[in-house]
Amino acid sequence: NAGVMQNPRHLVRRRGQEARLRCSPMKGHSHVYWYRQLPEEGLKFMVYLQKENIIDESGMPKERFSAEFPKEGPSILRIQQVVRGDSAAYFCASSTTTVNTGELFFGEGSRLTVL
Amino acid sequence: GNSVTQMEGPVTLSEEAFLTINCTYTATGYPSLFWYVQYPGEGLQLLLKATKADDKGSNKGFEATYRKETTSFHLEKGSVQVSDSAVYFCALKSHDQGGSEKLVFGKGTKLTVNP
Repeated sequence: NAGVMQNPRHLVRRRGQEARLRCSPMKGHSHVYWYRQLPEEGLKFMVYLQKENIIDESGMPKERFSAEFPKEGPSILRIQQVVRGDSAAYFCASSTTTVNTGELFFGEGSRLTVL
Repeated sequence: GNSVTQMEGPVTLSEEAFLTINCTYTATGYPSLFWYVQYPGEGLQLLLKATKADDKGSNKGFEATYRKETTSFHLEKGSVQVSDSAVYFCALKSHDQGGSEKLVFGKGTKLTVNP
């Protein structure tokens, strides 16, 4: 039973380019969460999605960042016109239902480096 | 708002030493509480959880008790091993009506265990 799959594991972009990070949740999971981990800091919530719906995007920067979770295919976190401050590890997590008492299953992360 | 405060690291211990990592929280209502562990180069994994006051979560020799009166969820282990070296994150999920379904994480505490 495959876990949460993220790709790419490592991504290098120059300032101004676009970064696309993909996340395939665990089989049977319909809830996806994206978190960002900056160097020497903890995880910061970005967005929570269910299939075809954004439920909570309170942690997403207002500009350049977007996320989707289509009916078919992986969830995508898109960062347009990247800047050096976007360099971080981006983690995707999934769950079968709301996280009230269950756990989140995390992927291994995508590490974005902006030159 | 909801928040989690962990003791600052890094923590360095010798093998078989006793471990305590402090965690306190601020939340409206009575949240569920979690400890996650992140091994080098990997995503987070759930270590243990507690969903109501006085519950004790335990796993792999680690324990944490949900203390409502002190709003704490300190992680303890009686005898650490080198393989316990990792970053430990305390997290909460609020159960407020209308509250978001996201987990709120502390900044993490890096533990290094020397042989």
